[in-house]
Amino acid sequence: DAKTTQPPSMDCAEGRAANLPCNHSTISGNEYVYWYRQIHSQGPQYIIHGLKNNETNEMASLIITEDRKSSTLILPHATLRDTAVYYCIVRVPQGGKLIFGQGTELSVKP
Amino acid sequence: GAVVSQHPSRVICKSGTSVKIECRSLDFQATTMFWYRQFPKQSLMLMATSNEGSKATYEQGVEKDKFLINHASLTLSTLTVTSAHPEDSSFYICSARDRISHEVGLFFGSGTQLSVL
Repeated sequence: DAKTTQPPSMDCAEGRAANLPCNHSTISGNEYVYWYRQIHSQGPQYIIHGLKNNETNEMASLIITEDRKSSTLILPHATLRDTAVYYCIVRVPQGGKLIFGQGTELSVKP
Repeated sequence: GAVVSQHPSRVICKSGTSVKIECRSLDFQATTMFWYRQFPKQSLMLMATSNEGSKATYEQGVEKDKFLINHASLTLSTLTVTSAHPEDSSFYICSARDRISHEVGLFFGSGTQLSVL
């Protein structure tokens, strides 16, 4: 399984862009990068995923480097409700199960 | 988006009793469901993978006789914690993969907080 490395915590001012980095240097060619977030005492919420190309949806943008060894999740205009733990996960090919690392605790402050 | 319903959201039980947690996919069929547990301030730990109509696959170190998983239909999986003890107190979360659009990702239930007295 490709492992991911994320900073344990980050702060972001409300209304500013939050850029959450993730390293996955051992990712293999057929593995996707997924991002989830977990607000305290709730189940994780799917945000976005990608294989090679940059992706954007109504929640966030995902930038994947050309060598695919790292990625960045961008929340363009962070709000207080975006305070959560953000998990970057590389999907295990066999069975498709998601193995969670420690994630990044994002604190959005007024 | 796809909805996964998990019930109950919170349960308190006495030591030695069994507790059943249900996980339902409400608007899609899930051939595969996953069960996680999470201790305070820690990440989610995968316990087992359940496939509809077959036996669950447990992760290393998870006791299959203690954590019974049944996935009898394409929309329902259950986790039974047998003879619960205080150390089983944890946040249990299920997730389901859409049978048709499985590439999109997994959808998670809202979790069950189990407290064993």
